[in-house]
Amino acid sequence: DAGVTQSPTHLIKTRGQHVTLRCSPISGHKSVSWYQQVLGQGPQFIFQYYEKEERGRGNFPDRFSARQFPNYSSELNVNALLLGDSALYLCASRQGVTGTDTQYFGPGTRLTVL
Amino acid sequence: SQQGEEDPQALSIQEGENATMNCSYKTSINNLQWYRQNSGRGLVHLILIRSNEREKHSGRLRVTLDTSKKSSSLLITASRAADTASYFCATVKAAGNKLTFGGGTRVLVKP
Repeated sequence: DAGVTQSPTHLIKTRGQHVTLRCSPISGHKSVSWYQQVLGQGPQFIFQYYEKEERGRGNFPDRFSARQFPNYSSELNVNALLLGDSALYLCASRQGVTGTDTQYFGPGTRLTVL
Repeated sequence: SQQGEEDPQALSIQEGENATMNCSYKTSINNLQWYRQNSGRGLVHLILIRSNEREKHSGRLRVTLDTSKKSSSLLITASRAADTASYFCATVKAAGNKLTFGGGTRVLVKP
């Protein structure tokens, strides 16, 4: 079975631009979460979606938004990019909405903002 | 904010030795999970231990959890060069749904 997939693998943008990152969860998983990992730090929670509804939001500005589609795939959008948005963006999926089961991560999208 | 704090931040050992890293956290949890990350790539899930469990094993990995001290440890026995990676603990709060990660321990296993 395929694991969590993310696209693109790498992305280079300039300040002020907009970016869309994509994620496909493991088959049968209805929950998708997004995390930001700045170099040298642990991942930080951005969003969780379950059954197309937002179920959690981390401490990120409104420039960050996400959505989940009927097939449970998800997009993360970041507007008005700043240099500080340069990071590895990780998508994770699990079966249920609560944190009681294992969350599986994709390989990430490396975003560089120049 | 980071819930967990790993100790040490970095660890260098010889192949065949054991590696131990610790994680402390601040609030009551439902479970604690350990992940491995190679060279800034995706996170690989290692072990999930629930708040009512004290110890779990998976192959060469042993995880302990002490909820009274709000701490956990990950032991890798008979380390291999392929174990070189960053290791993160992550907690899920009681009735929570997100993972809160620590800053990680960078492990270097020298052949």
